[in-house]
Amino acid sequence: DTGVSQDPRHKITKRGQNVTFRCDPISEHNRLYWYRQTLGQGPEFLTYFQNEAQLEKSRLLSDRFSAERPKGSFSTLEIQRTEQGDSAMYLCASSSGQGGSTEAFFGQGTRLTVV
Amino acid sequence: GIQVEQSPPDLILQEGANSTLRCNFSDSVNNLQWFHQNPWGQLINLFYIPSGTKQNGRLSATTVATERYSLLYISSSQTTDSGVYFCAVESTSGTYKYIFGTGTRLKVLA
Repeated sequence: DTGVSQDPRHKITKRGQNVTFRCDPISEHNRLYWYRQTLGQGPEFLTYFQNEAQLEKSRLLSDRFSAERPKGSFSTLEIQRTEQGDSAMYLCASSSGQGGSTEAFFGQGTRLTVV
Repeated sequence: GIQVEQSPPDLILQEGANSTLRCNFSDSVNNLQWFHQNPWGQLINLFYIPSGTKQNGRLSATTVATERYSLLYISSSQTTDSGVYFCAVESTSGTYKYIFGTGTRLKVLA
């Protein structure tokens, strides 16, 4: 068990470009979450998947953001037409749901800088 | 939605001192986790504690769900304990998402 893996760890992009991040959850975890964290704040919920179904999206997730989890395995988060305000740490988490456990485990995050 | 408040916001300790971090939440929750965020941004799981008391080495945590608070105790602090400690609560909305507090920033001085 290698934990939750995120790629890339760092991304610098120019304003207006599209970026895509990948998250590989712990194997057999059927719940997957994306969070965003800005400097000095706690992580904020963006979206939640149960297997391949996207069951909840925060209003923070504007129409420039899209997330997918094909086949209920890895997930991608795409940001189109990036803005400086998108600069943040993007965190992915997974939980198993087995035995009633909802303990969430987080990846190392992808730090996005929009210049 | 549910509000999560952590106190104190900042804490500076001498190595070897003990401390108590508090997490208050505004509504019933299904579960609660404590995390330590290291300087590289990784959130490290400390406790998964919907109620009761748990201990892990120099750290322990107590959650009193009926009174809507949780405490994290750090004893004999070390410089490696420095970082940000977050409390996160799982809302009862049914989607298992966690709502985070704003954290307690701890610095332990040698």
